[in-house]
Amino acid sequence: DVKVTQSSRYLVKRTGEKVFLECVQDMDHENMFWYRQDPGLGLRLIYFSYDVKMKEKGDIPEGYSVSREKKERFSLILESASTNQTSMYLCASSFHTGGASEAFFGQGTRLTVV
Amino acid sequence: DQQVKQNSPSLSVQEGRISILNCDYTNSMFDYFLWYKKYPAEGPTFLISISSIKDKNEDGRFTVFLNKSAKHLSLHIVPSQPGDSAVYFCAARDDTDKLIFGTGTRLQVFP
Repeated sequence: DVKVTQSSRYLVKRTGEKVFLECVQDMDHENMFWYRQDPGLGLRLIYFSYDVKMKEKGDIPEGYSVSREKKERFSLILESASTNQTSMYLCASSFHTGGASEAFFGQGTRLTVV
Repeated sequence: DQQVKQNSPSLSVQEGRISILNCDYTNSMFDYFLWYKKYPAEGPTFLISISSIKDKNEDGRFTVFLNKSAKHLSLHIVPSQPGDSAVYFCAARDDTDKLIFGTGTRLQVFP
């Protein structure tokens, strides 16, 4: 059974703090994703990684960076948290292209920046 | 510019009737389309998918239809059940494996 685990369900951080969101998957997936979900805006892709140390910007990378030093772990970093980064953050993973490679999601991290 | 659009933010359907959720896309390079279901405070769960070379895929009560010429897909749920009440996201995969999601449709199934 595929498992994608996000390190925290809820986080409250102060403006200006550096924030780390961690995601681990146990299915040897090549691809990993970070999305944020906001009301009326759906799921927006922040960053995507298709291999260790490889990353691609998504639609809204500003204010974020990522790290993928190991295949199973993908970290999202908020360099200096701001209130407009208050959101639900969702990590996902999938196999490389080839047939029914649906993405599996973690349970989400609700981040509040005060 | 949104590449995947779900123009109906909400849909209300009576139990036992058909629910039809719609999705439009703009990028003809998308090769795979997926539907996800999401409950509050949980991650999305995969529901059903369809390859761009097919026009229909069925799994139990769920059927997805793809009209490539219109760049349109739809999810049919028959019969609808109260447990189907959730937010449904349409997603499309591009040739770099990125998954692009729509804005979601909140489905409410009432008795």
